[in-house]
Amino acid sequence: GAGVSQSPSNKVTEKGKDVELRCDPISGHTALYWYRQSLGQGLEFLIYFQGNSAPDKSGLPSDRFSAERTGGSVSTLTIQRTQQEDSAVYLCASSTGTSGSPDTQYFGPGTRLTVL
Amino acid sequence: GDSVTQMEGPVTLSEEAFLTINCTYTATGYPSLFWYVQYPGEGLQLLLKATKADDKGSNKGFEATYRKETTSFHLEKGSVQVSDSAVYFCALSRYGNKLVFGAGTILRVKS
Repeated sequence: GAGVSQSPSNKVTEKGKDVELRCDPISGHTALYWYRQSLGQGLEFLIYFQGNSAPDKSGLPSDRFSAERTGGSVSTLTIQRTQQEDSAVYLCASSTGTSGSPDTQYFGPGTRLTVL
Repeated sequence: GDSVTQMEGPVTLSEEAFLTINCTYTATGYPSLFWYVQYPGEGLQLLLKATKADDKGSNKGFEATYRKETTSFHLEKGSVQVSDSAVYFCALSRYGNKLVFGAGTILRVKS
């Protein structure tokens, strides 16, 4: 079956521009996560969705970062006024969302963002 | 807060050598523990997991045992292959939510 897909796979942008990254989770998965992988910081959690609500936004690094999920499926991560330190690989993961159990998270291939 | 510490790499081994990658964690409560692997050019994938003390996770010849007394989850394999070359991440999760990852360990296996 189809896994988690992300688009674009690569994005190069200029400092100060806004970017949108898209994640399409596995069908039927209610939980969706965004992470960031960068050389200096490793793998960091950004935000978690259960359905369309985001009970944990604790990892968003600043108010320039926002995310939404509509219809309990596709999610968009938006970075406004991009800075060079935003350059990283942005990973999306989804899971069945079963409450209280150690859900396996399935990761997408990531979007590599480069801010010039 | 929760954290995971794993041994720094890169780890370079010859084929058929024994592998250990150390991982220790700090967390309140009883987290679930995971090893994820990232092969060159590919995405993160789950290698194995353990959900409670003394559980052993295993997959593809890799094993790790959840040791609560030492807060550890070391990854082992008896005989590595060139195809095992990858980056290995230890991680924890509480209440089935966000993963907290270690820094990752690069493994290089030479033939």
